[in-house]
Amino acid sequence: NAGVTQTPKFQVLKTGQSMTLQCAQDMNHEYMSWYRQDPGMGLRLIHYSVGAGITDQGEVPNGYNVSRSTTEDFPLRLLSAAPSQTSVYFCASRRQGNYGYTFGSGTRLTVV
Amino acid sequence: SQKIEQNSEALNIQEGKTATLTCNYTNYSPAYLQWYRQDPGRGPVFLLLIRENEKEKRKERLKVTFDTTLKQSLFHITASQPADSATYLCALAKGNNNDMRFGAGTRLTVKP
Repeated sequence: NAGVTQTPKFQVLKTGQSMTLQCAQDMNHEYMSWYRQDPGMGLRLIHYSVGAGITDQGEVPNGYNVSRSTTEDFPLRLLSAAPSQTSVYFCASRRQGNYGYTFGSGTRLTVV
Repeated sequence: SQKIEQNSEALNIQEGKTATLTCNYTNYSPAYLQWYRQDPGRGPVFLLLIRENEKEKRKERLKVTFDTTLKQSLFHITASQPADSATYLCALAKGNNNDMRFGAGTRLTVKP
């Protein structure tokens, strides 16, 4: 039981490049979310999903796309990276009901 | 706009004392309030969840209160230890517990 697995752990991109941050969970959790964490700003919600085929926007969705084709996977796509997207990205999941989220270990992304 | 404020960026206390962290919110009616612990370079770890109809919840040395009239939660760590040193995050969610928003966190240091 690995929990929430994020890959890669570190990534450097050039402005305008695209990439996908991977997130997988093996706990059969229905709910999954993506957050970014910046110094002094706390964690901000990008997108979330309540189940396969269903996604919704959080507070900072611009510049990011998501899809949820399976219960296990919730990838985050950056279509055209910008320096403002330099951040640490966390994926989280939880099961239905009054439960907290399980977070991955994060992806540190630098856009130059 | 919605605002979640944690009382201070940093809190220093002596080992054995009780640490009390505050989370205040405005323009928000959360149904769920959660507390997480985050160590440097790692993802947040879920500690406690309390619902709007609950006044208090305990888990070992941890206690959380939730006052929807004052729009405030207090998080207590009794008999604090140096191992409790970390950043503690408050998070709120509305009725479905999906769209969860975080405060910026309070960095707790427990000195021996």
